[in-house]
Amino acid sequence: NAGVTQTPKFQVLKTGQSMTLQCAQDMNHEYMSWYRQDPGMGLRLIHYSVGAGITDQGEVPNGYNVSRSTTEDFPLRLLSAAPSQTSVYFCASSYRGGDRSLAKNIQYFGAGTRLSVL
Amino acid sequence: GEDVEQSLFLSVREGDSSVINCTYTDSSSTYLYWYKQEPGAGLQLLTYIFSNMDMKQDQRLTVLLNKKDKHLSLRIADTQTGDSAIYFCAEYPGGGNKLTFGTGTQLKVEL
Repeated sequence: NAGVTQTPKFQVLKTGQSMTLQCAQDMNHEYMSWYRQDPGMGLRLIHYSVGAGITDQGEVPNGYNVSRSTTEDFPLRLLSAAPSQTSVYFCASSYRGGDRSLAKNIQYFGAGTRLSVL
Repeated sequence: GEDVEQSLFLSVREGDSSVINCTYTDSSSTYLYWYKQEPGAGLQLLTYIFSNMDMKQDQRLTVLLNKKDKHLSLRIADTQTGDSAIYFCAEYPGGGNKLTFGTGTQLKVEL
């Protein structure tokens, strides 16, 4: 099992450029999420998905789009990059669980994408 | 909304115990977690505690939960240089998949 795979690991963009951060998981998890990590602010939820075809906004969704056409993939699109989007981005997946003992929402994280917007 | 707070830094000597503290505001939290982030890597689950427990021990790790004060702590016994990392507290109210993370505590272990 590869777990959660994120690509690319590093990216530099110019202001106004667009790009897609890729995230794939091979654990058949229903839930997937995107977070950004900034110094002194912990992890903030950007968007999340509870299953294929279903997405919703998190705490800081502006400037980002997501889609979930398959269980495995959850790409994050930056529409027009801004310097404020310089951050480390993490994708995570978790198992929904069919019974209480499994409903722990343990999230498995990718290694992250380090993005700089100049 | 939910809020989870941690101190930003902790420095300990190798072999001493480390105690990392976390406070949260959501009284409906069902599970509380500790994640570890090593440099350049993603977060990995260290341990978790269900809200009806007040203590959980796992080898060198001890988690204490005070529901009345909404206070969670992680104690690492015999701290080693390999324990140097950022430690995140997170809470989950149950339902959906949203976790709320704290700001993270940078643990530095000195020789």
